[in-house]
Amino acid sequence: ETGVTQTPRHLVMGMTNKKSLKCEQHLGHNAMYWYKQSAKKPLELMFVYNFKEQTENNSVPSRFSPECPNSSHLFLHLHTLQPEDSALYLCASSHRAGSGETQYFGPGTRLLVL
Amino acid sequence: GENVEQHPSTLSVQEGDSAVIKCTYSDSASNYFPWYKQELGKRPQLIIDIRSNVGEKKDQRIAVTLNKTAKHFSLHITETQPEDSAVYFCAAASGGSNYKLTFGKGTLLTVNP
Repeated sequence: ETGVTQTPRHLVMGMTNKKSLKCEQHLGHNAMYWYKQSAKKPLELMFVYNFKEQTENNSVPSRFSPECPNSSHLFLHLHTLQPEDSALYLCASSHRAGSGETQYFGPGTRLLVL
Repeated sequence: GENVEQHPSTLSVQEGDSAVIKCTYSDSASNYFPWYKQELGKRPQLIIDIRSNVGEKKDQRIAVTLNKTAKHFSLHITETQPEDSAVYFCAAASGGSNYKLTFGKGTLLTVNP
């Protein structure tokens, strides 16, 4: 349960605020992911980093900006968000980015944009 | 891109009964199919997965079947228990440089005591 941690667990922000979500994995993995989970929608992949290189940007608006300084840490910088961006943001990691690699999820950050 | 359809969206069973959740996928190149369980307020956790070179896999009360020709796969839970109550997500992934895990919308399983 402590392999992938996320902070903060809850965040309320206004549309003009700037905030950052943090993810840290202690599993020795080389790939990290950001997902968005909204009510009644599938888990949506946002970004993939493999060995610190971004390999996937799933048509995510520029108000979401990822950063991966090393294989253990992943950030999601948020600015000028919209109310429809309110969701659970999940971080995950795997040994590497490839089919067949089990992804381990963090507990998520519940984001509310007012 | 890949599209994963999952049915049903909700499923209610009596304790001890079996539960079946079905998923279809669109990309014939997909070769890895994990199932995740997400309890209320908790993170998704992998419960079982299957690769395209296998037709069936079983782990105690949980089994997954894969039909590559029809492009569908199913999760089977036997002898259900109240603690099986959760949202279950199927997913499909293809390899290569465009690796991506595409999830279904989820099935809320309720096991009534």
